[in-house]
Amino acid sequence: GENVEQHPSTLSVQEGDSAVIKCTYSDSASNYFPWYKQELGKGPQLIIDIRSNVGEKKDQRIAVTLNKTAKHFSLHITETQPEDSAVYFCAASRHNQGGKLIFGQGTELSVKP
Amino acid sequence: DADVTQTPRNRITKTGKRIMLECSQTKGHDRMYWYRQDPGLGLRLIYYSFDVKDINKGEISDGYSVSRQAQAKFSLSLESAIPNQTALYFCATSDYKFVGGPYQETQYFGPGTRLLVL
Repeated sequence: GENVEQHPSTLSVQEGDSAVIKCTYSDSASNYFPWYKQELGKGPQLIIDIRSNVGEKKDQRIAVTLNKTAKHFSLHITETQPEDSAVYFCAASRHNQGGKLIFGQGTELSVKP
Repeated sequence: DADVTQTPRNRITKTGKRIMLECSQTKGHDRMYWYRQDPGLGLRLIYYSFDVKDINKGEISDGYSVSRQAQAKFSLSLESAIPNQTALYFCATSDYKFVGGPYQETQYFGPGTRLLVL
């Protein structure tokens, strides 16, 4: 079945540095790639997503890039702040599966002041 | 997200007991999902429902059942709980749209139910 691999599992950066989390997917028909942020004691919340018809999307300090040929996509957070500390999940799905997301294993990001 | 609520938030039960986790949403979405989260494994789909009459198994449905009582309510049951069902359970809803190009969808998650099976 479809699989999404996410790396690294933990990431520690200094405040102000950049953080990059990478995911690879196995199903070449996947066409929707969301990223979720999960803060302690809360459910995951969508922070950014990208669809297969674009290669990059930005929203303030966060950006996502997609390489369909290599079947991988990445989350970039610039100028990290302590409130960015959380667990981040990537996911992949395809239209004809009607929203069935396959999640990566998660990355615990720690931003040190 | 306060629009998706889950009860209870925490539950301790014993092996063999039947328990039900409940999810309610005020977003008016047709689609609802149940996920299980385990450390190092991410979120895995248990069951999903595209409307009240459409319920489907996810990748790990064995040992679970669901009921879609109304558009706003989707319950998950463990008929006979076992220790390896100890996990964090999330309900989600989504606003699936197909607008002529790549489809659009955002899933909104509830706060989760932490379940411990002894």
